[in-house]
Amino acid sequence: ILNVEQSPQSLHVQEGDSTNFTCSFPSSNFYALHWYRWETAKSPEALFVMTLNGDEKKKGRISATLNTKEGYSYLYIKGSQPEDSATYLCASEEGAQKLVFGQGTRLTINP
Amino acid sequence: TAGITQAPTSQILAAGRSMTLRCTQDMRHNAMYWYRQDLGLGLRLIHYSNTAGTTGKGEVPDGYSVSRANTDDFPLTLASAVPSQTSVYFCASSEVNGQPQHFGDGTRLSIL
Repeated sequence: ILNVEQSPQSLHVQEGDSTNFTCSFPSSNFYALHWYRWETAKSPEALFVMTLNGDEKKKGRISATLNTKEGYSYLYIKGSQPEDSATYLCASEEGAQKLVFGQGTRLTINP
Repeated sequence: TAGITQAPTSQILAAGRSMTLRCTQDMRHNAMYWYRQDLGLGLRLIHYSNTAGTTGKGEVPDGYSVSRANTDDFPLTLASAVPSQTSVYFCASSEVNGQPQHFGDGTRLSIL
């Protein structure tokens, strides 16, 4: 079983500020790194899937980077808005399409 | 497009009873998964299926069984429910390796 760690566990950010958080994962047998956004009372929604070392993906104000050699990924949110409040999950895919999830970073944007 | 449909939305079940959680997808995805979500433990994989006719065990398979008779359906059965199986259960699907998983809305199950 892979050990996927996310930090911080929770984060409070002022509206308009930018923020970032970390996902670390074992780099052996790596296949892909997933990021999901999970809003309260909803189901997780895919943000990015990255496979290559140095990959960088962007969706609006949210972007992510990947370092497979050292086993970490960063998620960045630029100019946080209240609708960004959610739990952000990362998951490492080792193969056979199975994901191991971290416990998430709970982000709260203060208006 | 419906995506993934889970039923029931919630259920209260007496310990010792059996229960099947239903999951249906209309995206023709090969792979399907069952997770449970518990406070402080995140999402943990119970069972998965890479294609119709095959299933595999995840991180926490004990007390659960699955079947994959066709592409669209992936039911999860609790043969004899215990209180520790109280959880929120999510079904998900994906096309192939390296593709995002699509999640259902979850089933909240309470075992008393």
